[in-house]
Amino acid sequence: DQQVKQNSPSLSVQEGRISILNCDYTNSMFDYFLWYKKYPAEGPTFLISISSIKDKNEDGRFTVFLNKSAKHLSLHIVPSQPGDSAVYFCAASATGGNTGKLIFGQGTTLQVKP
Amino acid sequence: DARVTQTPRHKVTEMGQEVTMRCQPILGHNTVFWYRQTMMQGLELLAYFRNRAPLDDSGMPKDRFSAEMPDATLATLKIQPSEPRDSAVYFCASGLAFKQYFGPGTRLTVT
Repeated sequence: DQQVKQNSPSLSVQEGRISILNCDYTNSMFDYFLWYKKYPAEGPTFLISISSIKDKNEDGRFTVFLNKSAKHLSLHIVPSQPGDSAVYFCAASATGGNTGKLIFGQGTTLQVKP
Repeated sequence: DARVTQTPRHKVTEMGQEVTMRCQPILGHNTVFWYRQTMMQGLELLAYFRNRAPLDDSGMPKDRFSAEMPDATLATLKIQPSEPRDSAVYFCASGLAFKQYFGPGTRLTVT
């Protein structure tokens, strides 16, 4: 049972346009969410996170939006650059358990075309 | 710049052989995680440790996989005997709180 789902395996956008990556979750205990970026032959690297007490967190070109009622979060990249081409993983955690455990989605491959 | 290291980076082995993957977590991190990346499941959690004690290994096939942390600088994941379906990229991550830092992975191919 996938508790974190990224339903779009891939996304292609033009350089300079907005990229929107989506993620849905089912467990209402999740209260902390992260996005990781992964280049080929490398491990995932942390990109941005959001706590459930917020509905938006921004870091430069990257913004994460959280809609708790819909159990949905999205990552916006504006403007998209060719170097953003990578696999993006959404992850969620129930911090009350204090385990540090993250549940990851399947990933979305983003291609930004020059 | 502290990093998680993993060895080997690539491993090709025959079915039935033992495989051992090693991970050196970032010094000071108290949690260590083992993941497997597959096309269908994404990043699948196999096992994790806190302060070297195993917290959860329910993601691992118990009959063939084992994970240990003999000391704070070394985590191991063993597969014995290996099977072709074990072919995947295995990642180790270490962390503090809820942010995890990943190693570069071990690409395992079992023929």
